[in-house]
Amino acid sequence: DTGVSQDPRHKITKRGQNVTFRCDPISEHNRLYWYRQTLGQGPEFLTYFQNEAQLEKSRLLSDRFSAERPKGSFSTLEIQRTEQGDSAMYLCASSRTGLGNEQFFGPGTRLTVL
Amino acid sequence: GDSVTQMEGPVTLSEEAFLTINCTYTATGYPSLFWYVQYPGEGLQLLLKATKADDKGSNKGFEATYRKETTSFHLEKGSVQVSDSAVYFCALLSGGSYIPTFGRGTSLIVHP
Repeated sequence: DTGVSQDPRHKITKRGQNVTFRCDPISEHNRLYWYRQTLGQGPEFLTYFQNEAQLEKSRLLSDRFSAERPKGSFSTLEIQRTEQGDSAMYLCASSRTGLGNEQFFGPGTRLTVL
Repeated sequence: GDSVTQMEGPVTLSEEAFLTINCTYTATGYPSLFWYVQYPGEGLQLLLKATKADDKGSNKGFEATYRKETTSFHLEKGSVQVSDSAVYFCALLSGGSYIPTFGRGTSLIVHP
């Protein structure tokens, strides 16, 4: 399978705990995006990488959220001191320069904060 | 700023019925337009796209035409199947941007 993969698919945690999600993009894609999706809503942009550089962050991305893409391949999204309002589906997508910016999405990580 | 408005769901149809899901947009310039589909428990999959006015995107029996004059990109299918039950998202990408703007999604339920 050469699509975008995310791990874990589901995460249940208690309020105040830290969680980390991983995204593996399609191998030749240089751009990687993180989104958050809540029930009944479309994806909301969080942040975007081109290679290893984090080029844009949404105002939605509070100080408790941090994302990395250390070698320009996989990426991690960490949420510190989780709150119940962080419960959502976290989606990762990737794209390649020059292909109309078409984004390919992973299956998502569903986070539940108790 | 850019925005996408979709008709509210759920849309409930019988198998083989005709489907229309309305999508209108507001954007500066000439955006590219997309329809994504999300099956339960999965991420979004690109269904079709159109990059300029009057283009028609099509895939798996679904079609949508980029109408600049009405700023619309309505999704249609002539005969839906139970397997088409999913949430459909309309999205736009403004020129020079890498971040799409998504609508809220429209749930489609197809009964046998």
